[in-house]
Amino acid sequence: SQTIHQWPATLVQPVGSPLSLECTVEGTSNPNLYWYRQAAGRGLQLLFYSVGIGQISSEVPQNLSASRPQDRQFILSSKKLLLSDSGFYLCAWSRTTGNSPLHFGNGTRLTVT
Amino acid sequence: QKEVEQNSGPLSVPEGAIASLNCTYSDRGSQSFFWYRQYSGKSPELIMFIYSNGDKEDGRFTAQLNKASQYVSLLIRDSQPSDSATYLCAVNTRDGGATNKLIFGTGTLLAVQP
Repeated sequence: SQTIHQWPATLVQPVGSPLSLECTVEGTSNPNLYWYRQAAGRGLQLLFYSVGIGQISSEVPQNLSASRPQDRQFILSSKKLLLSDSGFYLCAWSRTTGNSPLHFGNGTRLTVT
Repeated sequence: QKEVEQNSGPLSVPEGAIASLNCTYSDRGSQSFFWYRQYSGKSPELIMFIYSNGDKEDGRFTAQLNKASQYVSLLIRDSQPSDSATYLCAVNTRDGGATNKLIFGTGTLLAVQP
């Protein structure tokens, strides 16, 4: 069966500090990978998605970047965090075939202070 | 801007009743529709998906889809206090590309009263 791991679970970072969140998927090959953010009391916003190694599509202009160095590894980064980057970050994967659902990791709650 | 609309609630129902959650979407090209349950502080969990017009039943859950009206709903029969959560409607969109992307509604908070 497929599993998705995301870490850390919680993170408190000062404004201006860098960020690196990591996500790995097991039990499947060549998945589509996604980063979503959920701000407090708001819906899920798609930040990045990837259909393969090194292939990243950005959905919204922002202070963040993503990379996919390996088939089942997806990384979300920032060089300098802003207060507005606070939120619940969710990594997800889906199969590439058909209209497959997304399966989410446990999420990282980021607080920028 | 493709959108998915949900009533934020809270929707309060007594234990044992039927909870009805609704969702409308703007992209007529959408082909797949999903319901996720999200407990407070947790990540979303897939509970139902539907691709064709009509009803799809899975245990106490029934998803209903009407593409002509761009409307999808979720019925929860015999509601339990453990069903209390936020329910997210998600709709696929392709934006002309090949990647299946999901657009989420802001969710409806369901509270089942014991």
